[in-house]
Amino acid sequence: ENVLTQSPDTLSLSPGEGATLSCRASKTVGDNFLAWYQQKPGQAPRLLIYGAYSRATGVPDRFRGGGSGSVFTLTISRLEPEDFGVYYCQQYDRSPRTFGQGTKVE
Amino acid sequence: QVTLRESGPALVKPTQTLTLTCSFSGFSLTTSGMNVAWIRQPPGRAPEWLARIDWEGDKFYSRSLETRLAISLDTTQNQVVLTVTDMDPTDTATYFCARTEYSRGPFDYWGQGMLVTVSS
Repeated sequence: ENVLTQSPDTLSLSPGEGATLSCRASKTVGDNFLAWYQQKPGQAPRLLIYGAYSRATGVPDRFRGGGSGSVFTLTISRLEPEDFGVYYCQQYDRSPRTFGQGTKVE
Repeated sequence: QVTLRESGPALVKPTQTLTLTCSFSGFSLTTSGMNVAWIRQPPGRAPEWLARIDWEGDKFYSRSLETRLAISLDTTQNQVVLTVTDMDPTDTATYFCARTEYSRGPFDYWGQGMLVTVSS
């Protein structure tokens, strides 16, 4: 299976600061079929980015996905209070679908 | 408006079989490309994909769990059912169902999730 490793595990930041999250795949993610999700306590993950860099409907433009192949990034340009939570990357190129272990933005 | 909602028991005993139902609306699972998947998330850990069923009724399972999983579709009631046999305390997790519009697509809509605890 395609193992996704996220870094760092935790980012400690303040509102207004920028954040860069990384996701590294053990195998190339074909067609850049890589998504990013945001999850808050007690809620389901919310799709933010798909196809490595396309924002989902309603996602603010301060969220930007990048990368290709096996290394991907999620950048949040200026953190808003509602952006704090856990972020997961996920590949949907191969079966089984796999998720990274998550990066907590606190 | 697309919605999904999980239902089932909150508590099961070890060795019992878990049956979960995902009731959905706002889309049809007979539409070409459409899939519904089950994903679980143990407390404090990352989500884990379990199974999916597609618009043609084809079924796909996590290799590590496939001997214990069964997914089925009731198109008349817009429901997808997941059964997990031989439940163990390590299966304690929040179980989500989620939709993808394509077989190779992101999970764009999720249910709220259902915490299932396995304990005697």
